[in-house]
Amino acid sequence: TQLLEQSPQFLSIQEGENLTVYCNSSSVFSSLQWYRQEPGEGPVLLVTVVTGGEVKKLKRLTFQFGDARKDSSLHITAAQTGDTGLYLCAGPNNDMRFGAGTRLTVKP
Amino acid sequence: NAGVTQTPKFQVLKTGQSMTLQCAQDMNHEYMSWYRQDPGMGLRLIHYSVGAGITDQGEVPNGYNVSRSTTEDFPLRLLSAAPSQTSVYFCASRRMTGELFFGEGSRLTVL
Repeated sequence: TQLLEQSPQFLSIQEGENLTVYCNSSSVFSSLQWYRQEPGEGPVLLVTVVTGGEVKKLKRLTFQFGDARKDSSLHITAAQTGDTGLYLCAGPNNDMRFGAGTRLTVKP
Repeated sequence: NAGVTQTPKFQVLKTGQSMTLQCAQDMNHEYMSWYRQDPGMGLRLIHYSVGAGITDQGEVPNGYNVSRSTTEDFPLRLLSAAPSQTSVYFCASRRMTGELFFGEGSRLTVL
């Protein structure tokens, strides 16, 4: 079983729709990171959340860290085709461990 | 500003062959790691290093060796390739703040 469970595994939506993806664990993390990966490239860091209950915004992306620091969510408002990619959450556990990711497709 | 450079980008091996995936970073990061990425399984940690001369195993170390003789380089060796090692391999280095910087990946096929 994965240390970090991400859902949904796949998500296909129309441009302009809103969406939320989730990252859950039974373990407490000191921080969680979100990365986006495009085809043929390595993941790129979007944000790090550190404090329980923290909300961070990055343009149309809103990241939340759960109060108990066991889960996190990523909400995208008015999705664009450029948001298409694999979204990965990661947390420190001796080293950095990743969830399996949510593959998002935004159709025009 | 090259960041993390991986070579080769593509490689095809026959079962039993050996090879080394190269990884170099120019950001003077102490921490480096290797991941493999398979469909539906995300990134799984193979080996990591917290500095020159120090390496440790990750989640899936079997069949892979690493060494870290310099801060810049962290090669990954497959001593006897198996079809189960067909994957995309990513090398990463880590800033003190915790941000990981990844290479572009090396796609390995073992026949």
